[in-house]
Order: sequence, then structure tokens, then C-alpha cells
Amino acid sequence: GALVYQYPRRTICKSGTSMRMECQAVGFQATSVAWYRQSPQKTFELIALSTVNSAIKYEQNFTQEKFPISHPNLSFSSMTVLNAYLEDRGLYLCGARLGYQNTLYFGAGTRLSVL
Amino acid sequence: GQQVQQSPTSLVLQEGENAELQCNFSTSLNSMQWFYQRPGGSLISVFYNPSGTKQSGRLTSTTVIKERRSSLHISSSQITDSGTYLCAMEDMGYKLTFGTGTSLLVDP
Repeated sequence: GALVYQYPRRTICKSGTSMRMECQAVGFQATSVAWYRQSPQKTFELIALSTVNSAIKYEQNFTQEKFPISHPNLSFSSMTVLNAYLEDRGLYLCGARLGYQNTLYFGAGTRLSVL
Repeated sequence: GQQVQQSPTSLVLQEGENAELQCNFSTSLNSMQWFYQRPGGSLISVFYNPSGTKQSGRLTSTTVIKERRSSLHISSSQITDSGTYLCAMEDMGYKLTFGTGTSLLVDP
């Protein structure tokens, strides 16, 4: 079955530093990849959606300058949190879609703590 | 933008009781998904339900597009059903907007 692997599962970084997280679709090629963040006590917010043959689209309150995303092929995506601060803490989930009428498969997430 | 209202915020049941979780959305949707969030945070897809009724074991999801709502029914609840359930609506641009979640606790 479809599987999405995220790395690392947990990470801690110092305030003002950056960290990179990866998302790998295993066993399928994703037509789109979406990155979400769940901040403490909040629901999931979409950061950006990357669809095959289209530019990466960022949601309001999230920018490419802060969360640059690389999507070099249909199986892999990475996102970096630049200059991380306390408000960037949370669980970052990557969701990959197989086809256009299918469910989004989520990875287990990368939990970011900022000191 | 899209808004997804999920209710109740939390629910406490005795084992064996039924649970009804609701989601209402403000705009036209392409599909509705229900997720279970594990204590560690990862999401498990429970239902992908664009419309109508789907059943899987003790779980039933009903989406009524015209009324802009979806529900998740858990029958004969078990302790292992405890956790957070999230609905998410997908718009025509394939963007998922999540509800705020229902925290379910099933007591023995």
C-alpha cells in the first residue's frame, strides 16, 4: 500500500537556526504534496501545496522565504524552517496524493521543538 | 476562505455507548476526509467520503454535500477508540482544511 515516510521524527533546534525535514512517498509517485503544521493546541494548517507541473503555492501567513520547499521529483519533497523561533514549534506533516481523486496519505510527521 | 466547524470539542463516553461527531463546512467541497490522530501526532485516514454513506466495522461516515455537513458515527465504543478525530474538507483546488478536532475519551 501507499506509504509516506518523514524524517526526522523529532528534532530540536536553537532559536534562530534552521532545520530541514524530508518527505518520501514509498511505492507510488505523488501527483501533489502538501505540508501542514499543527501548532500546540491548534488544528492543522496548510503551509503549501506542491502539484506536479505547477508552482508551489503557499498559504497566507506562510512564505517561501521562511519555509522553502524543494520538490525535485514525484516521490520526494523537503521543507526547511528557516530562522526558527518558538512560534514555529509543532508537528509538521507531509501529505502525498496518488492521483487526483484519492485520499491524501500522511507521514508520521516531524515534531519540531525550538529552544 | 473555507471554514470547517467540528463538534463536539470533546466527548466522554462509557464503553459500549455510541458517538456522533459532526462537521459543517462553509463552501463547496470536492470531498471530505475523517482522520484519527494518534497520541504521537500521526494521522490515520479513517474515511475518504466525497458523498453518501460509508461503513467500516463500527464506524460509519455520512456526507451530505447539499447540506454541507459530514458525520462520523462510532457504534459500541471501545476504550481503544479514545483519541482525537479530525475532519478535513477538500476544496476544488485539492486543498484540505481541517476541523479543530474532537477529543474522545471512552471510559471502562
